[in-house]
Amino acid sequence: GAGVSQSPSNKVTEKGKDVELRCDPISGHTALYWYRQSLGQGLEFLIYFQGNSAPDKSGLPSDRFSAERTGGSVSTLTIQRTQQEDSAVYLCASSPYRGRTGELFFGEGSRLTVL
Amino acid sequence: GQQVMQIPQYQHVQEGEDFTTYCNSSTTLSNIQWYKQRPGGHPVFLIQLVKSGEVKKQKRLTFQFGEAKKNSSLHITATQTTDVGTYFCAGSGFQGAQKLVFGQGTRLTINP
Repeated sequence: GAGVSQSPSNKVTEKGKDVELRCDPISGHTALYWYRQSLGQGLEFLIYFQGNSAPDKSGLPSDRFSAERTGGSVSTLTIQRTQQEDSAVYLCASSPYRGRTGELFFGEGSRLTVL
Repeated sequence: GQQVMQIPQYQHVQEGEDFTTYCNSSTTLSNIQWYKQRPGGHPVFLIQLVKSGEVKKQKRLTFQFGEAKKNSSLHITATQTTDVGTYFCAGSGFQGAQKLVFGQGTRLTINP
């Protein structure tokens, strides 16, 4: 595709349920980021994948959050036992890393609402 | 933790006035990037600064990276209604890490 694709665009779930959010990065981009943005707030770093290196998971807020990136391409962010405070827009971005952090291309985001 | 502080949080100006947002880090950055997010949209890349003391211009926008590579600014001359949005700075290089950490953003609103 031409850009970063995220699905679902909207997800409403009940407290305690698990959710999976998917990100399809731009082909050839080796770096992939997940951020969380609450209404009217900034971008909270969650996790960063770069090539075959171990991911930087330092931003994951709790052990209910996990992410994987299969084959260096598609990534899935999983939130287990969702809580109301998990409600936010989850943004994925990919980047053509060339020796240093490069420009990030963002998807449209997945809006998660936990009832 | 690794933080990039951005001020002001909000700025309201009359169309035609200038606007500046400032970004500060407690540690030296390897580079800094600026993004613009329109209401309801996703962040869009504006520019990246890498060198100490670097200044770059894009039409009415001027970006600066401090000599110590710990601060940066974005200045918009003669704002227009199309400049409305939230401007974020983002830094990388904290403790050698490549991840990009965003500031809280400055939300710009303009009175036409």
